Amino acid sequence: SYELAQPPSVTVSPGQTATITCSGHNLGDRSVSWYRQKPGQSPVLVIYQDSNRPSEIPERLSGSNSGNTATLTISATQSMDEADYYCQAWDSTTVVFGGGTKLTVL
Amino acid sequence: QLQLQESGPGLVKPSQSLSLTCAVSGASLGNDGYSWSWIRQPPGGGLEWIGHIYDFGNTYYNPSLKGRVAMSIDGSKNQVSLKLTSVTAADTAVYYCAVCSGPGGSAWFDPWGQGTLVAVAS
Repeated sequence: SYELAQPPSVTVSPGQTATITCSGHNLGDRSVSWYRQKPGQSPVLVIYQDSNRPSEIPERLSGSNSGNTATLTISATQSMDEADYYCQAWDSTTVVFGGGTKLTVL
Repeated sequence: QLQLQESGPGLVKPSQSLSLTCAVSGASLGNDGYSWSWIRQPPGGGLEWIGHIYDFGNTYYNPSLKGRVAMSIDGSKNQVSLKLTSVTAADTAVYYCAVCSGPGGSAWFDPWGQGTLVAVAS
């Protein structure tokens, strides 16, 4: 079965750029979505189809996908960006999630 | 605006069946061309996709659940249902329903319901 790997944690200083990766075999041939989940809340879509952003998501968040790695980039990181982030892709007719990355702004 | 609300028993005994419903507002099930997924998250854990049902009834399930799962749509109640049989403690999780949007193979989940916690314990 297809697997997506994410680093368990990423730490960034306020105002700096955070990069969260999602790795899978030939992931660049698939479409990747990203979700943000804050404690006690439901996941929220932040990126779909590799690099598209829902209208309510700020431009500071961007996505890319090439080769074996998809990347979520958060520029000018703020404390409000602290959350767990999950990548998601399809494997034929089934869905795969990455294990999640805890972003700490410190 | 689409809104989803999950509901369920909260506590289920081992070996029994778990039944959840997702009440949908802002869309007419079976008519508006949406598709629906159930996704769960164990306490302190990550997201696990359970399955997917299209408005016209086709279903796809996570192979890891080995035939224990069934999803259905009740158009008269505007609800999506999930049934998971032979539950164990490993099925303890927050269960979310979500709208699946976009073309097959590149679809995404938005919005999500608030989730309902189900504990499996005797």
